Amino acid sequence: QVQLVQSGAEVKKPGASVKVSCKASGYTFTGYYMHWVRQAPGQGLEWMGWINPNSGGTNYAQKFQGRVTMTRDTSISTAYMELSRLRSDDTAVYYCARPYSSSRSGWYFDLWGRGTLVTVSS
Amino acid sequence: EIVLTQSPGTLSLSPGERATLSCRASQSVSSSYLAWYQQKPGQAPRLLIYGASSRATGIPDRFSGSGSGTDFTLTISRLEPEDFAVYYCQQYGSSPHITFGPGTKVDIK
Repeated sequence: QVQLVQSGAEVKKPGASVKVSCKASGYTFTGYYMHWVRQAPGQGLEWMGWINPNSGGTNYAQKFQGRVTMTRDTSISTAYMELSRLRSDDTAVYYCARPYSSSRSGWYFDLWGRGTLVTVSS
Repeated sequence: EIVLTQSPGTLSLSPGERATLSCRASQSVSSSYLAWYQQKPGQAPRLLIYGASSRATGIPDRFSGSGSGTDFTLTISRLEPEDFAVYYCQQYGSSPHITFGPGTKVDIK
Protein backbone atom coordinates (compact mmCIF):
# COMPACT_ATOMS: atom_id res chain seq x y z
CA GLN A 1 0.00 0.00 0.00
CA VAL A 2 1.41 3.33 -1.11
CA GLN A 3 1.40 5.68 1.86
CA LEU A 4 3.23 8.31 3.88
CA VAL A 5 3.11 7.90 7.65
CA GLN A 6 4.04 10.92 9.72
CA SER A 7 5.17 11.20 13.31
CA GLY A 8 2.86 12.29 16.09
CA ALA A 9 1.86 15.69 17.38
CA GLU A 10 4.45 17.84 19.13
CA VAL A 11 4.29 20.68 21.64
CA LYS A 12 7.31 22.96 21.73
CA LYS A 13 8.34 26.14 23.48
CA PRO A 14 9.30 29.25 21.55
CA GLY A 15 12.94 29.11 20.48
CA ALA A 16 13.06 25.32 20.42
CA SER A 17 13.35 23.05 17.37
CA VAL A 18 11.05 20.33 16.08
CA LYS A 19 11.81 17.41 13.79
CA VAL A 20 8.93 15.75 11.94
CA SER A 21 9.34 12.43 10.18
CA CYS A 22 7.57 10.99 7.15
CA LYS A 23 7.96 7.28 6.42
CA ALA A 24 7.24 6.18 2.87
CA SER A 25 6.04 2.72 1.93
CA GLY A 26 4.73 0.96 -1.14
CA TYR A 27 6.98 2.71 -3.65
CA THR A 28 10.66 3.40 -4.32
CA PHE A 29 11.54 6.13 -1.84
CA THR A 30 14.50 7.40 -3.84
CA GLY A 31 12.48 7.69 -7.01
CA TYR A 32 10.43 10.72 -5.99
CA TYR A 33 11.21 14.06 -4.39
CA MET A 34 9.53 14.73 -1.06
CA HIS A 35 7.94 18.10 -0.37
CA TRP A 36 6.79 19.68 2.87
CA VAL A 37 3.70 21.88 3.14
CA ARG A 38 2.30 23.47 6.25
CA GLN A 39 -1.10 24.85 7.23
CA ALA A 40 -1.67 27.17 10.16
CA PRO A 41 -5.02 26.84 11.96
CA GLY A 42 -7.81 28.10 9.73
CA GLN A 43 -5.33 29.19 7.08
CA GLY A 44 -4.23 28.04 3.63
CA LEU A 45 -1.46 25.79 2.40
CA GLU A 46 2.12 27.03 2.48
CA TRP A 47 4.90 25.27 0.57
CA MET A 48 8.15 24.92 2.54
CA GLY A 49 10.53 23.10 0.24
CA TRP A 50 11.68 19.75 -1.06
CA ILE A 51 14.34 17.12 -0.70
CA ASN A 52 15.60 14.76 -3.35
CA PRO A 53 15.88 11.48 -1.41
CA ASN A 54 18.27 10.07 -3.99
CA SER A 55 20.94 12.78 -3.75
CA GLY A 56 19.98 14.55 -0.54
CA GLY A 57 19.73 17.81 -2.44
CA THR A 58 17.28 20.35 -1.07
CA ASN A 59 15.51 23.54 -2.00
CA TYR A 60 13.70 25.71 0.49
CA ALA A 61 11.16 28.49 0.19
CA GLN A 62 12.85 31.80 0.90
CA LYS A 63 10.67 32.38 3.95
CA PHE A 64 12.19 29.36 5.70
CA GLN A 65 15.80 29.68 4.57
CA GLY A 66 18.11 29.43 7.56
CA ARG A 67 15.47 27.84 9.81
CA VAL A 68 14.47 24.67 8.01
CA THR A 69 16.52 21.56 7.30
CA MET A 70 15.22 18.64 5.27
CA THR A 71 17.04 15.34 5.47
CA ARG A 72 16.40 11.71 4.71
CA ASP A 73 17.43 8.21 5.73
CA THR A 74 17.18 5.98 2.70
CA SER A 75 17.76 2.83 4.78
CA ILE A 76 14.35 3.29 6.39
CA SER A 77 12.64 5.26 3.58
CA THR A 78 12.04 8.23 5.82
CA ALA A 79 12.21 11.96 5.21
CA TYR A 80 12.61 14.53 7.95
CA MET A 81 11.80 18.20 8.29
CA GLU A 82 13.42 20.12 11.11
CA LEU A 83 12.36 23.67 11.91
CA SER A 84 14.40 25.68 14.39
CA ARG A 85 13.92 28.86 16.42
CA LEU A 86 10.21 28.15 16.66
CA ARG A 87 7.73 31.00 17.12
CA SER A 88 4.06 30.94 17.99
CA ASP A 89 3.16 31.55 14.36
CA ASP A 90 4.86 28.27 13.43
CA THR A 91 1.91 26.50 15.05
CA ALA A 92 0.53 24.48 12.15
CA VAL A 93 -0.12 21.09 10.67
CA TYR A 94 2.94 19.99 8.72
CA TYR A 95 2.38 17.67 5.76
CA CYS A 96 4.79 15.68 3.68
CA ALA A 97 3.63 15.27 0.10
CA ARG A 98 4.93 13.23 -2.81
CA PRO A 99 4.63 14.62 -6.32
CA TYR A 100 3.30 12.50 -9.17
CA SER A 101 6.75 12.36 -10.74
CA SER A 102 10.22 13.79 -10.35
CA SER A 103 10.02 15.84 -13.50
CA ARG A 104 8.71 19.39 -13.30
CA SER A 105 5.60 18.44 -15.29
CA GLY A 106 4.57 16.12 -12.48
CA TRP A 107 5.04 18.36 -9.46
CA TYR A 108 1.47 18.13 -8.31
CA PHE A 109 0.81 16.09 -5.18
CA ASP A 110 -1.12 12.87 -5.44
CA LEU A 111 0.10 11.40 -2.16
CA TRP A 112 -0.03 13.16 1.20
CA GLY A 113 0.74 12.23 4.75
CA ARG A 114 -2.00 12.77 7.34
CA GLY A 115 -0.15 15.72 8.81
CA THR A 116 1.63 16.41 12.08
CA LEU A 117 0.34 19.13 14.37
CA VAL A 118 3.11 21.21 15.86
CA THR A 119 2.02 23.56 18.63
CA VAL A 120 4.39 26.29 19.77
CA SER A 121 3.42 27.67 23.14
CA SER A 122 5.10 28.89 26.27
CA GLU B 1 7.71 34.11 -7.25
CA ILE B 2 4.32 33.56 -8.83
CA VAL B 3 1.49 34.76 -6.57
CA LEU B 4 -1.89 33.07 -6.96
CA THR B 5 -5.15 34.85 -6.14
CA GLN B 6 -8.40 32.93 -5.78
CA SER B 7 -11.89 34.29 -6.00
CA PRO B 8 -14.34 34.43 -4.51
CA GLY B 9 -13.12 33.82 -0.98
CA THR B 10 -16.40 32.09 -0.14
CA LEU B 11 -19.06 30.72 -2.47
CA SER B 12 -22.46 29.96 -0.95
CA LEU B 13 -24.47 27.58 -3.11
CA SER B 14 -27.09 24.87 -2.86
CA PRO B 15 -26.68 21.21 -3.81
CA GLY B 16 -27.30 20.76 -7.51
CA GLU B 17 -26.01 24.21 -8.42
CA ARG B 18 -22.97 24.95 -10.54
CA ALA B 19 -19.80 26.26 -8.88
CA THR B 20 -17.23 28.34 -10.73
CA LEU B 21 -13.96 29.05 -8.91
CA SER B 22 -11.23 31.32 -10.23
CA CYS B 23 -7.46 31.24 -9.80
CA ARG B 24 -5.39 34.09 -11.21
CA ALA B 25 -1.59 34.13 -11.37
CA SER B 26 0.65 37.19 -11.10
CA GLN B 27 2.55 35.97 -14.18
CA SER B 28 2.02 33.33 -16.78
CA VAL B 29 2.11 29.75 -15.51
CA SER B 30 4.34 27.86 -17.88
CA SER B 31 2.89 24.87 -19.70
CA SER B 32 -0.34 25.22 -17.72
CA TYR B 33 1.32 23.61 -14.72
CA LEU B 34 -1.68 24.34 -12.50
CA ALA B 35 -3.39 21.92 -10.12
CA TRP B 36 -6.53 22.04 -8.00
CA TYR B 37 -7.10 20.39 -4.62
CA GLN B 38 -10.10 19.83 -2.38
CA GLN B 39 -9.67 19.89 1.39
CA LYS B 40 -12.19 18.95 4.05
CA PRO B 41 -11.76 19.70 7.77
CA GLY B 42 -9.19 17.50 9.46
CA GLN B 43 -8.06 15.94 6.19
CA ALA B 44 -5.09 16.34 3.89
CA PRO B 45 -5.73 17.97 0.52
CA ARG B 46 -6.99 15.72 -2.28
CA LEU B 47 -5.77 16.20 -5.84
CA LEU B 48 -8.59 16.95 -8.28
CA ILE B 49 -7.05 18.45 -11.41
CA TYR B 50 -3.53 18.70 -12.82
CA GLY B 51 -2.13 20.28 -15.95
CA ALA B 52 -4.98 22.80 -15.68
CA SER B 53 -7.58 20.42 -17.14
CA SER B 54 -6.73 16.77 -16.51
CA ARG B 55 -8.78 14.98 -13.87
CA ALA B 56 -6.87 12.92 -11.32
CA THR B 57 -7.61 9.25 -10.91
CA GLY B 58 -11.03 8.59 -9.41
CA ILE B 59 -12.28 12.18 -9.63
CA PRO B 60 -15.90 12.43 -10.83
CA ASP B 61 -16.49 14.10 -14.17
CA ARG B 62 -18.59 16.85 -12.57
CA PHE B 63 -15.20 18.42 -11.77
CA SER B 64 -13.50 20.15 -14.66
CA GLY B 65 -10.61 22.56 -15.04
CA SER B 66 -9.80 25.07 -17.74
CA GLY B 67 -7.60 28.02 -18.50
CA SER B 68 -4.06 28.94 -19.44
CA GLY B 69 -1.54 31.72 -18.97
CA THR B 70 -2.68 33.63 -15.91
CA ASP B 71 -6.37 32.71 -15.64
CA PHE B 72 -7.67 29.32 -14.55
CA THR B 73 -11.08 28.01 -13.55
CA LEU B 74 -12.37 25.02 -11.62
CA THR B 75 -15.99 24.17 -12.36
CA ILE B 76 -18.19 21.78 -10.41
CA SER B 77 -21.15 21.17 -12.71
CA ARG B 78 -23.67 20.04 -10.09
CA LEU B 79 -22.73 20.26 -6.43
CA GLU B 80 -23.11 17.11 -4.40
CA PRO B 81 -23.29 17.28 -0.57
CA GLU B 82 -19.73 15.95 -0.32
CA ASP B 83 -18.36 18.77 -2.50
CA PHE B 84 -18.73 21.44 0.17
CA ALA B 85 -15.13 22.06 1.12
CA VAL B 86 -12.19 24.40 0.55
CA TYR B 87 -10.49 24.40 -2.85
CA TYR B 88 -6.90 25.42 -3.52
CA CYS B 89 -5.02 26.02 -6.72
CA GLN B 90 -1.29 25.33 -6.97
CA GLN B 91 1.23 26.29 -9.64
CA TYR B 92 4.26 24.14 -10.30
CA GLY B 93 5.68 25.81 -13.38
CA SER B 94 7.99 28.22 -11.61
CA SER B 95 11.15 26.21 -11.01
CA PRO B 96 12.24 25.32 -8.41
CA HIS B 97 9.41 26.67 -6.28
CA ILE B 98 5.74 25.96 -5.81
CA THR B 99 2.97 28.25 -4.64
CA PHE B 100 -0.61 27.75 -3.51
CA GLY B 101 -3.54 30.10 -3.73
CA PRO B 102 -5.32 31.23 -0.54
CA GLY B 103 -8.33 29.00 -1.18
CA THR B 104 -12.03 29.29 -1.92
CA LYS B 105 -14.54 27.91 0.54
CA VAL B 106 -17.67 26.43 -0.99
CA ASP B 107 -20.35 26.28 1.65
CA ILE B 108 -24.01 25.38 1.77
CA LYS B 109 -26.43 28.24 1.17
